[in-house]
Amino acid sequence: AQTVTQSQPEMSVQEAETVTLSCTYDTSESNYYLFWYKQPPSRQMILVIRQEAYKQQNATENRFSVNFQKAAKSFSLKISDSQLGDTAMYFCAFMKRSEGAQKLVFGQGTRLTINP
Amino acid sequence: DAGVTQSPTHLIKTRGQHVTLRCSPISGHKSVSWYQQVLGQGPQFIFQYYEKEERGRGNFPDRFSARQFPNYSSELNVNALLLGDSALYLCASSLDGRGGETQYFGPGTRLLVL
Repeated sequence: AQTVTQSQPEMSVQEAETVTLSCTYDTSESNYYLFWYKQPPSRQMILVIRQEAYKQQNATENRFSVNFQKAAKSFSLKISDSQLGDTAMYFCAFMKRSEGAQKLVFGQGTRLTINP
Repeated sequence: DAGVTQSPTHLIKTRGQHVTLRCSPISGHKSVSWYQQVLGQGPQFIFQYYEKEERGRGNFPDRFSARQFPNYSSELNVNALLLGDSALYLCASSLDGRGGETQYFGPGTRLLVL
């Protein structure tokens, strides 16, 4: 079974700073996908970024980028020039690429607070 | 375009009762998944449906059931409610339910069991 671990329950930074959220996972699969989702206090889960494990290039989306280390099974999220609206719970999630149910396996989350 | 919608927003039930939660996927999406998010934890997979067929089930008791309708909307049913069923229930839709597809989440239904 796959597991996802987010070792930082809470983080807090000042506005405009850069912050990195950690995520490690455990799997015996070779083909899979990794995601970062954001859940603001209003609670709707929003996709931040998606990474395909067979692609070496790290995914980026504007101020959000990942550092994907497949051998180390690490998938960290970097937020540059952080903004007040980035305050949210951030979840790292894993999905294997195979037949059958396409389920997301989530970590416990990191609560990120951006301070003015 | 409208996103994933869920109803009701909030619900209060007592132990032993039954509850039905509803979800409408993004237009054109044929797959719906259900997740349970207990306070302070990440969501846990309950079911995935594609084209009205159950594609997979998580580690939940038989008290949990679901179905998908011809218009791809879905219902999650929970019988004989327990206090531990109190959680945020999230519905997510995806285009074809294929591996690696992004799942788009609705706002959730907050269920409180007293």
